[in-house]
Amino acid sequence: GQSLEQPSEVTAVEGAIVQINCTYQTSGFYGLSWYQQHDGGAPTFLSYNALDGLEETGRFSSFLSRSDSYGYLLLQELQMKDSASYFCAVRGPSGGSYIPTFGRGTSLIVHP
Amino acid sequence: DVKVTQSSRYLVKRTGEKVFLECVQDMDHENMFWYRQDPGLGLRLIYFSYDVKMKEKGDIPEGYSVSREKKERFSLILESASTNQTSMYLCASIKGSGREAFFGQGTRLTVV
Repeated sequence: GQSLEQPSEVTAVEGAIVQINCTYQTSGFYGLSWYQQHDGGAPTFLSYNALDGLEETGRFSSFLSRSDSYGYLLLQELQMKDSASYFCAVRGPSGGSYIPTFGRGTSLIVHP
Repeated sequence: DVKVTQSSRYLVKRTGEKVFLECVQDMDHENMFWYRQDPGLGLRLIYFSYDVKMKEKGDIPEGYSVSREKKERFSLILESASTNQTSMYLCASIKGSGREAFFGQGTRLTVV
């Protein structure tokens, strides 16, 4: 099976940098994804790491270390609109498909 | 634009009723998923399907069944609704071996 651990809540101020960590245990691993979900909204895809290292997409970056079963999402120049829940998800095989298994989510609260 | 549509945003049903939650995607995706989301528990996989008429149990299938008669439509069925099935239900789809899951807006089901 698969399990993921991430902090339940993180707070930061506007303009700051925040890092949301994710550790995972999995029997099969193809990659680590990050999703953002605003209150009342659907989760939306942010990033994906299949290989070790840092992937950058604008203000957001995601890092993966497969040897440590660890990844993080880095948000820079925080804005109020970044207040949301962030989920890491492990992509693993099951039968003929690739199944995302999600962590419990981290609530990011950005203060002015 | 990519779209996953769930038939209802809000539903209120009585204990013991048979409940159908419908999900339609217009992206010709092979894989479709049903998750339930509860505070502090993240997204938990109920069932998934990687092809028409194919279905696989996820982590919490008890009390649920699914149907996939056409590629674009994946239905979640609560055979006899119970109060502990009160939750947010999210449908998602992924193309082939793709990395990005596309989610519907969710159905908030209340069983009274």
